[in-house]
Amino acid sequence: SQQGEEDPQALSIQEGENATMNCSYKTSINNLQWYRQNSGRGLVHLILIRSNEREKHSGRLRVTLDTSKKSSSLLITASRAADTASYFCATDDYGQNFVFGPGTRLSVLP
Amino acid sequence: EPEVTQTPSHQVTQMGQEVILRCVPISNHLYFYWYRQILGQKVEFLVSFYNNEISEKSEIFDDQFSVERPDGSNFTLKIRSTKLEDSAMYFCASRPILGTSPLHFGNGTRLTVT
Repeated sequence: SQQGEEDPQALSIQEGENATMNCSYKTSINNLQWYRQNSGRGLVHLILIRSNEREKHSGRLRVTLDTSKKSSSLLITASRAADTASYFCATDDYGQNFVFGPGTRLSVLP
Repeated sequence: EPEVTQTPSHQVTQMGQEVILRCVPISNHLYFYWYRQILGQKVEFLVSFYNNEISEKSEIFDDQFSVERPDGSNFTLKIRSTKLEDSAMYFCASRPILGTSPLHFGNGTRLTVT
């Protein structure tokens, strides 16, 4: 089965800097989604990009998708301490199921 | 905004005991899921459920696991005889339709098997 694999596993930056996280997957997808998880909480949907889209923006979030390389990136601009969380990509393979990657733990230092 | 609710938030049980984890999905959603997350690790798919039957299940979802939607609102995950390695966060999720609708997650049940 396909998997999203994020890198880096952990990222530590200063407030105000940009954070970039990458995700790779293995097979054809219908869409790719990014989720955020605060410690000990459920995952919250951030943004979805369809397989025929290359870039999408939502507030301080920018997602790109390269289907030829089977990869996606999530950019958080002007990071804040409140952005500290784990970020997961999830792929939808035209079925009902989502497959999540292992996540990137982002720490934004004040 | 409607949300997925899960109870209990924390369940401690002894090895070999049965546990039932409960979820109330968002009311107009049609697709229901259970995922688990062992501490600090990836979110693993267990099972999806639609139209009162299992749609897909992973290798983790063996005969010790079962799901049920007993009354049209609750969605439960039962582990028949818990093992130490079942200790994890269990997340329920739902979505209204397939396609581009995202998953809506509950805050999880932390299961500790001793």
